[in-house]
Amino acid sequence: GAVVSQHPSWVICKSGTSVKIECRSLDFQATTMFWYRQFPKQSLMLMATSNEGSKATYEQGVEKDKFLINHASLTLSTLTVTSAHPEDSSFYICSARTGSTGNQPQHFGDGTRLSIL
Amino acid sequence: AQTVTQSQPEMSVQEAETVTLSCTYDTSESNYYLFWYKQPPSRQMILVIRQEAYKQQNATENRFSVNFQKAAKSFSLKISDSQLGDTAMYFCAFMKEHDKIIFGKGTRLHILP
Repeated sequence: GAVVSQHPSWVICKSGTSVKIECRSLDFQATTMFWYRQFPKQSLMLMATSNEGSKATYEQGVEKDKFLINHASLTLSTLTVTSAHPEDSSFYICSARTGSTGNQPQHFGDGTRLSIL
Repeated sequence: AQTVTQSQPEMSVQEAETVTLSCTYDTSESNYYLFWYKQPPSRQMILVIRQEAYKQQNATENRFSVNFQKAAKSFSLKISDSQLGDTAMYFCAFMKEHDKIIFGKGTRLHILP
């Protein structure tokens, strides 16, 4: 089946540093990738949608200068949390799909636990 | 705007029993897709079942089945012969064509031995 690899799975860093999270589709071409944030015991909150070669579309309330998304190829998207602070600590999940119909399912990565000290 | 509502924050059932998780949604679209996702403690998102709105027949995947009532905008998930491994957070989700998935707040399901 389709596999989405997300790296790293867990990262701890100091306040003020920038952190990059990678999302790769291993065996399919992902025309669209999604980035979610999940707080403990809550649902997934969509942060942004990125299409290969285009600028990401951010959801309302998500700071695009804070959360930089790059989708430079059909198999890789990155999320960079710039100047991270403790309130950015969360679980970040990416997903990817080919095409845009519901017949082409979204495949999820295993998530990245980000802890800012 | 589309919304997805899961009215049961948490449920517990005995192993081998049948349990039904509720989900309602609101949309003015006629063509859309509905999903149930499972998120176990590992936090991996697992697609349990998918339903196309244009199909009247309820989707079934082994022990998992849905009751899709389009007019009532209801999409419940039934888990038969529940197993300990079914313990997880379950999210109902909606997607209109060519768009993003919208998740409900989730139902935490505990299967008790």
